[in-house]
Amino acid sequence: DAKTTQPPSMDCAEGRAANLPCNHSTISGNEYVYWYRQIHSQGPQYIIHGLKNNETNEMASLIITEDRKSSTLILPHATLRDTAVYYCIVRVDDTGRRALTFGSGTRLQVQP
Amino acid sequence: ETGVTQSPTHLIKTRGQQVTLRCSSQSGHNTVSWYQQALGQGPQFIFQYYREEENGRGNFPPRFSGLQFPNYSSELNVNALELDDSALYLCASSLVSGGIRGTQYFGPGTRLLVL
Repeated sequence: DAKTTQPPSMDCAEGRAANLPCNHSTISGNEYVYWYRQIHSQGPQYIIHGLKNNETNEMASLIITEDRKSSTLILPHATLRDTAVYYCIVRVDDTGRRALTFGSGTRLQVQP
Repeated sequence: ETGVTQSPTHLIKTRGQQVTLRCSSQSGHNTVSWYQQALGQGPQFIFQYYREEENGRGNFPPRFSGLQFPNYSSELNVNALELDDSALYLCASSLVSGGIRGTQYFGPGTRLLVL
């Protein structure tokens, strides 16, 4: 799986959009970008994933650059409950049988 | 549908002892993965079970072993506990096909402290 690089921490004001970047310059054509988050003392939670096209669900939007070397997770209206560590993970297939390789993630602090 | 559950939530053991952690998969999921998360770090993959067979293993010694049962629930066993085994142990279940493929659904974890 391709290596990812994320900033260690970010702050965001409550109600504003949180934009979390991820670099994955060595991504292969068949690798997907997944985002998970981990709220303090809980298990990681799936947020969204994509291959080439931008994706949106009820939690977030995922913007993948045309060359696929980077992506941005957007939380459109951050709340205090979005304070968590966010992990960007690149993996080669989308079956449930391969392990997730977590990096250090980005610690997002939403400020009141 | 029920989510992934783990027991116990917290556990304290002493060095050299053995421990068994338990996980119940999300309904209908046939794959279970176990992860170890040390304080301040991301989860690290221990091993995965698919249809009761070990399907992959991370860089963990043989004293970490597991089982998956016909109902897809799972156990993680750790023998000869060491101080460095103190961590949050996470179980995740997933579907090989159907649903949102590639996603793993995590339980709340078991926090193990080895003294």
